[in-house]
Amino acid sequence: AQKITQTQPGMFVQEKEAVTLDCTYDTSDPSYGLFWYKQPSSGEMIFLIYQGSYDQQNATEGRYSLNFQKARKSANLVISASQLGDSAMYFCAMREGHGSSNTGKLIFGQGTTLQVKP
Amino acid sequence: IAGITQAPTSQILAAGRRMTLRCTQDMRHNAMYWYRQDLGLGLRLIHYSNTAGTTGKGEVPDGYSVSRANTDDFPLTLASAVPSQTSVYFCASSESWNTGELFFGEGSRLTVL
Repeated sequence: AQKITQTQPGMFVQEKEAVTLDCTYDTSDPSYGLFWYKQPSSGEMIFLIYQGSYDQQNATEGRYSLNFQKARKSANLVISASQLGDSAMYFCAMREGHGSSNTGKLIFGQGTTLQVKP
Repeated sequence: IAGITQAPTSQILAAGRRMTLRCTQDMRHNAMYWYRQDLGLGLRLIHYSNTAGTTGKGEVPDGYSVSRANTDDFPLTLASAVPSQTSVYFCASSESWNTGELFFGEGSRLTVL
């Protein structure tokens, strides 16, 4: 069964510095996708970035990049030049792609709360 | 563009009552999902539907039922609410069952007393 683990319940970062949020996953499916979502205090879920298991390069979206290490089964989110508005909860998620037993469900980790200090 | 609309946004419910959370999307997405969010547990999948007319069980389906009569609507029903179902419920959709990110509604906060 697939599993997503975020081991950091809470993180602090100084404004303008970079921060890495950890995510490890476990799957036996060779085809899968990894996602990161942001949930600010207002509660909405905001999609940030996606990495496919067959993608050769790490995904980047503006200040967000995904440090994908396939052999280690990790998909850490790197936020560069942190801003006060980055304070939120961040969720890592995985969807298995193909295979007879999977259904494409997106499974989430427990989340990491990031606080950006001025 | 509305995206995904959930109703109600908040509800207080007596234990034992029946409750239906509504979810409608206007993106013509094939796949839809219901998650519950609880502190320290992240989002857990309750039920999903890969296409209209089909549904499946997620991680925590007990006490919940869903239907998918058409592409746009995916209601979640609590047949007889219990206090442990107090949670924030998110409806989501994606273009297809195995590709694309999930788009989320704004959530429904349910309190069962």
